[in-house]
Amino acid sequence: DAKTTQPPSMDCAEGRAANLPCNHSTISGNEYVYWYRQIHSQGPQYIIHGLKNNETNEMASLIITEDRKSSTLILPHATLRDTAVYYCIVRSDYKLSFGAGTTVTVRA
Amino acid sequence: EAQVTQNPRYLITVTGKKLTVTCSQNMNHEYMSWYRQDPGLGLRQIYYSMNVEVTDKGDVPEGYKVSRKEKRNFPLILESPSPNQTSLYFCASSLSMGHRNTIYFGEGSWLTVV
Repeated sequence: DAKTTQPPSMDCAEGRAANLPCNHSTISGNEYVYWYRQIHSQGPQYIIHGLKNNETNEMASLIITEDRKSSTLILPHATLRDTAVYYCIVRSDYKLSFGAGTTVTVRA
Repeated sequence: EAQVTQNPRYLITVTGKKLTVTCSQNMNHEYMSWYRQDPGLGLRQIYYSMNVEVTDKGDVPEGYKVSRKEKRNFPLILESPSPNQTSLYFCASSLSMGHRNTIYFGEGSWLTVV
């Protein structure tokens, strides 16, 4: 799987959009970009995934650049409950390879 | 409700005493796997199963066994636990092995070996 690079931490104000960047410059054509989050030590929670096109669901939006070398996860209206570690994962096969992720702290 | 259920959620045991952590999913998923999470090392895959009676090693299989006799269950067996197996364990499942299929995780099992 291609390696991803994420900032170690970021803060966000409650009610504002949170934009989480991820670099995956070595991604290959058939690899998907997945986002998961982990709140405290709970099980990783699936957020969204995409291949080429931008994706949106009830939790977030995923913006993938045209060259696919980077992506941004957008939480449109962050709440305190969105405080978590967010993992950007490039996946080509059966497993997920988790990096260190970005610790996102939403402040009131 | 679709879910992956692990038991026990918390366990303290002694070195050498065999234990089993159960995992069950109600989504008719073919693919199941076990991860462990340790500070500074992130989540690492222990074993996985593509379907009933088909299992294979992940990245850190030493000291663990698994079985897949039924589609819904994938127990993790520690035949002779040691303190270095103290960790947070997650079971996960997916419709199939393909990377287009979302992997869902259980809530985790805290295991302490003294």
